[in-house]
Amino acid sequence: DQQVKQNSPSLSVQEGRISILNCDYTNSMFDYFLWYKKYPAEGPTFLISISSIKDKNEDGRFTVFLNKSAKHLSLHIVPSQPGDSAVYFCAARRNTGNQFYFGTGTSLTVIP
Amino acid sequence: DAGVIQSPRHEVTEMGQEVTLRCKPISGHDYLFWYRQTMMRGLELLIYFNNNVPIDDSGMPEDRFSAKMPNASFSTLKIQPSEPRDSAVYFCATTDSGTEAFFGQGTRLTVV
Repeated sequence: DQQVKQNSPSLSVQEGRISILNCDYTNSMFDYFLWYKKYPAEGPTFLISISSIKDKNEDGRFTVFLNKSAKHLSLHIVPSQPGDSAVYFCAARRNTGNQFYFGTGTSLTVIP
Repeated sequence: DAGVIQSPRHEVTEMGQEVTLRCKPISGHDYLFWYRQTMMRGLELLIYFNNNVPIDDSGMPEDRFSAKMPNASFSTLKIQPSEPRDSAVYFCATTDSGTEAFFGQGTRLTVV
């Protein structure tokens, strides 16, 4: 049972525009959410996170929004750059046990 | 620290053979996770350890899969016997009960 879902397998965006990646979750026990970025032949690397007590967290060009009532979060990248082309995984952590659950990933292509 | 180290990076084996994947966690990290990446399920949590003790192995797909963590510096994931459908990229990740998990570069397993 997929507890974290990314319904868009791929996304293409023009350089300089905004990229919006979406993620939905089903488990109300999740208290911490993360986004990871993955390049081919490498392991995922941490990008940005948000606690369930917040609804927004910003780090440079990256902003994560959390809507707890809708069990939805999104990652905004603005402006998008060709180097942002990668697979992005949404992840959630339960408030007990520290295990991280990941979505299926969204492949972002930023077109120069 | 060199980060999470996985070996081998690539493994090609014949169906029915035993396969052992290895992971050296970041020193001081007390949680260790094994994930499998597939197109259909994204990053799927197989099993995780806390202080070398297996906490949740509900993600292990079949009895053919087993994992051990004999000490704080080493973990293995074994598949015996291997099948073509086990072909995937396997990741090890660790955390120090903190807010993010650190991933190794993964082992690409191909079972022919």
